[in-house]
Amino acid sequence: EVQLVESGGGLVKPGGSLRLSCSASGFSFTNAWMKWVRQAPGKGLEWIGRVKSKPNGGTTDHAAPLNGRFTISRDDSQNMLYLQMNSLQTEDTAVYYCSYYRDTSGQHFDYWGQGTLVTVSS
Amino acid sequence: QAVVSQEPSLTVSPGGTVTLTCDSSTGAVTRGHYPYWFQQKPGQAPRTLIYDTSDKHSWTPARFSGFLLGGKAALTLSGAQPEDEAEYYCLLSYSGVGVFGGGTKLTVL
Repeated sequence: EVQLVESGGGLVKPGGSLRLSCSASGFSFTNAWMKWVRQAPGKGLEWIGRVKSKPNGGTTDHAAPLNGRFTISRDDSQNMLYLQMNSLQTEDTAVYYCSYYRDTSGQHFDYWGQGTLVTVSS
Repeated sequence: QAVVSQEPSLTVSPGGTVTLTCDSSTGAVTRGHYPYWFQQKPGQAPRTLIYDTSDKHSWTPARFSGFLLGGKAALTLSGAQPEDEAEYYCLLSYSGVGVFGGGTKLTVL
């Protein structure tokens, strides 16, 4: 059974940093393309970024409006996906989801974690 | 960054047909934008209905179809059911960077 479990959310002060983790199981994480998406309370979805599988280069793409504050990384040895968030602002308050959406061969999937809430407030 | 636009809200009668569209501020939407369509119900994570313009997952009801129409990505729902009432989001890729539309709240009434 595919499982994605996010962790690391919580309350942080403006200007602070946080690292979210996404623990993956039930599929070949090495071959997985993963993405992070967030949703502010009562708002729409926002694409944060994605990381390709290492066999496909392992490269990352991040949303431009984040101005380099957020960085996605992966540890295939631990089946873990990460989102490092720096210089957090109140508008970064949101539920953050990780998602497994395709693999090295180009097959598409649609698995999501339960989301982790990040609250940026003084 | 590009802006992706969707109708804020639409209403469809049960059994009726409705088309949602997804427009790009940079010009015509093409297959090269790999359009995705997601459905999200309150309190739930999104669920992908359509990827790469028109491909469906095994769970995507046959009444949903994706295509390109007049320079936009489009999602048609034919034979709306009460359970189709939800928020629908499109996602376009710009050289690997994704941008969501603002979402369309679909009411089945």
